[in-house]
Parts: sequence; C-alpha cells; structure tokens
Amino acid sequence: NAGVTQTPKFRILKIGQSMTLQCAQDMNHNYMYWYRQDPGMGLKLIYYSVGAGITDKGEVPNGYNVSRSTTEDFPLRLELAAPSQTSVYFCASTQDGGYFWQPQHFGDGTRLSIL
Amino acid sequence: GNSVTQMEGPVTLSEEAFLTINCTYTATGYPSLFWYVQYPGEGLQLLLKATKADDKGSNKGFEATYRKETTSFHLEKGSVQVSDSAVYFCALSDPKADGLTFGKGTHLIIQP
Repeated sequence: NAGVTQTPKFRILKIGQSMTLQCAQDMNHNYMYWYRQDPGMGLKLIYYSVGAGITDKGEVPNGYNVSRSTTEDFPLRLELAAPSQTSVYFCASTQDGGYFWQPQHFGDGTRLSIL
Repeated sequence: GNSVTQMEGPVTLSEEAFLTINCTYTATGYPSLFWYVQYPGEGLQLLLKATKADDKGSNKGFEATYRKETTSFHLEKGSVQVSDSAVYFCALSDPKADGLTFGKGTHLIIQP
C-alpha cells in the first residue's frame, strides 16, 4: 500500500537552478494537488489537477509549473529557484475532488532549501 | 474567501490531561471540516472529519463537533498520551473552492 510517494525527500538547490519534484499515487485517484508548507504556517495550494491533461492554478502558483500526462504522476517543476521557494512541499490526492467531503491523502513531503 | 483560525502553539500538557484545540472557520458555502495530524518528518494524516452541521467526527479517542452556529470545529481528547505529540491542522473543503484551506497548525507536546 504505497499511497502517495514523493521523491526526493530532501534537496538543496542553488539560486537559479531548476528541478522537478516527483509525485506518484497508486490509488487511481483523479484529483491531485501540490501544497507548500512554510514554517509556522498552514499549507498553501500551488497547483491542482482534476485528471490527466488538466491542471489549474491554486493560491500560490508563481514560480512553478506542473504537468499531468498520466493519472498516476503529477510532477512539480521549479524553473529558476529563488530563496522564497525554500519550503516543504506536499503532494496529495483524492478520488474525486468534486465530492469535497472526501479527505485527501498526503505524501511524506519534500524538504527543499534554496541557497 | 475561506479561512481557518486555530489556537497558537505550542501547547504543552502532561500525560492524561484533557485536550482542547480551538478551530473556527469562515466559508462562503457549506464546507466539510477536517482535522489532520502531522508527526515529525511525516506527511499529514486524516484524523477525523465532519461533513455537515452537528456531525461529530471521532478517531483514536479524539472528537470534534461541527458547530455551524459558532462556525467552530474544536478538537478534544479526554486523556492525552505522549504518542499524541504532533502538529494538528484544522482544514475545510468547500465546493466553491479548490483544494483544502488550512489553519496554521498547533504543535502539541505531551510530557510524561
């Protein structure tokens, strides 16, 4: 029962570098989400997807891009890393986000530092 | 827009003490309410939920009641254990919004 798997768990980037945070789920969930968690704050939605080929912006999308070519995978890309993107990133999924009472399932997170 | 406000931490209690973590919300629609727990180094896990007014969610000795009249969803446990030490997040989901709206989290520390 893998659930939601995120890689890597930790990463240090230099300013201006790029990287992709990977997220995969094996529950055949249609809806997937990326959140960031800053110290002492709740999670903020970056991007979400309602199915393969469909993505949309959340509350804090600037500096990020996403793609959803398969149901299972939802990678998050940082093109030009900035110190403000230092955070812990969480991927989540739910079977059908249209049924808003369904809980989301979270990965263990990626801790990213931009120096 | 939607918002969730929960009590600031850290909250430090002795083992077997009674726990209350306050949570209030503002929402444009009729949200579902959730408590998630985050243990050190891990992702968020659903603790309990309630989907309509007066519903009570419960799990592992924790309870919370959806109070529409006071827009609250306070988390309670009668006797806490050291293993309950974690960060607790109150969150809401609204059919008119995307994703979950989270509170800032409450760090709970239980001392033996």
